Amino acid sequence: GDSVTQMEGPVTLSEEACLTINCTYTATGYPSLFWYVQYPGEGLQLLLKATKADDKGSNKGFEATYRKETTSFHLEKGSVQVSDSAVYFCALSETNFGNEKLTFGTGTRLTIIP
Amino acid sequence: DARVTQTPRHKVTEMGQEVTMRCQPILGHNTVFWYRQTMMQGLELLAYFRNRAPLDDSGMPKDRFSAEMPDATLATLKIQPSEPRDSAVYFCASGLSGWDEQFFGPGTRLTVL
Repeated sequence: GDSVTQMEGPVTLSEEACLTINCTYTATGYPSLFWYVQYPGEGLQLLLKATKADDKGSNKGFEATYRKETTSFHLEKGSVQVSDSAVYFCALSETNFGNEKLTFGTGTRLTIIP
Repeated sequence: DARVTQTPRHKVTEMGQEVTMRCQPILGHNTVFWYRQTMMQGLELLAYFRNRAPLDDSGMPKDRFSAEMPDATLATLKIQPSEPRDSAVYFCASGLSGWDEQFFGPGTRLTVL
């Protein structure tokens, strides 16, 4: 079945450091890939997505590129802020028809210290 | 500002009691998901509905859990009887066919003593 493997956390960085959170996936078809973010005490919200190979999703300074050859979708940011402290989830959706089931990774807790 | 709402936000109950959690999806959304989040298991899909019909509830323990959509503006998740291992945060999310994004509610934190 489909699965998502995420970098183990927690991750602690200083403000303005570079961030990479690794995500790899296993899927039988051509999935859409997502990063969701969960701030303390809140539900998840979509951060960015990519629907086909070589697409780059970006939002709020975060980027991730859909790499079919390495089955990866790593999340990157060049300079993190304290406000980026949250839990980040990589996810995939097997179909491209929209709003089918999402398979989530285990989440990576990120803490940014001033 | 359209949001998914969930009630209650917090619930503490004793083992064996019935628990009902409610979700109001964003108006116009036709797909509703129920997730459970725990430290050990992470985020698990329990069930989801499209146009109020259940599409998949394979993630839900059938003997004690039930999920329904009495109408398009209300989804319910019921646990009867509750057990301590049901302690978790339960999220509802809604979306629209043809769009990838799911919109999550703030969650119901359930503690079963």
